[in-house]
Amino acid sequence: AQKVTQAQTEISVVEKEDVTLDCVYETRDTTYYLFWYKQPPSGELVFLIRRNSFDEQNEISGRYSWNFQKSTSSFNFTITASQVVDSAVYFCALNGVDGANSKLTFGKGITLSVRP
Amino acid sequence: NAGVTQTPKFRVLKTGQSMTLLCAQDMNHEYMYWYRQDPGMGLRLIHYSVGEGTTAKGEVPDGYNVSRLKKQNFLLGLESAAPSQTSVYFCASSYSRTSSADTQYFGPGTRLTVL
Repeated sequence: AQKVTQAQTEISVVEKEDVTLDCVYETRDTTYYLFWYKQPPSGELVFLIRRNSFDEQNEISGRYSWNFQKSTSSFNFTITASQVVDSAVYFCALNGVDGANSKLTFGKGITLSVRP
Repeated sequence: NAGVTQTPKFRVLKTGQSMTLLCAQDMNHEYMYWYRQDPGMGLRLIHYSVGEGTTAKGEVPDGYNVSRLKKQNFLLGLESAAPSQTSVYFCASSYSRTSSADTQYFGPGTRLTVL
C-alpha cells in the first residue's frame, strides 16, 4: 500500500518569507511519480510538478523549488519570497502501480496563508 | 481548449433526492475519474473509467453510480442523497492509467450540500 504524509496542516508566513512544505511518502514500487498540486481559494486543483523516482535532481521554477530525496522518501516544496497569491492548499501525491493500473494517492494537504 | 469542465458548480439537495454531476474533457483522454474532497481527508477516489463504456470502483464507491457513454463525458450519479455525501466533487482525466507517469488534470469542482 502506498501512503503520503503531509505532517504540517497549516502554515502562516508573512509576505517575502521563504516557506517549505514537507511531503513524506511510502511505497513498495521501484518506479513511481510524485506530484504537487495547488488548490487556491477559488477551489480548482492546479498541477504544479511531476517528478519520477529515478530523477533526484532538484527542480527550480521561478520562486518554486522542489527537493526530492529518495533516501528519506521525501519530496519537499519550497516557495521563496512568498506572496499573498501563494495562499492556497497544497497537496502532495504519489502515483504508483496497483495491479494493471496506476493509483494516485494524495496527502491531506497543507493550508498556506501568506499575510501582507 | 477548456480542459476539464464540471456541471453544476454548486448544488443543494434534500436527503433522498437524486442528481447527476456531469464532467466533460476535450483533451481526448482515455481515463476519467471522480474524487470527493472532505476537510482533513485529502482526495479520495470514488469511481473511474478506463474508456468509453467501462467503469470501475475506487476507494469510496458506495452510494454513487457512474456512466461513460461517450469518451469525453463521465457522469456521477447519486440515487438517494445522504448528508454524508456533502462534499466537494472533482472530476479528473488522464491520457492513460497504466503508467505511473500519467498526470491527472482536474476540473474546477462541484460543491454539493445534502440537507
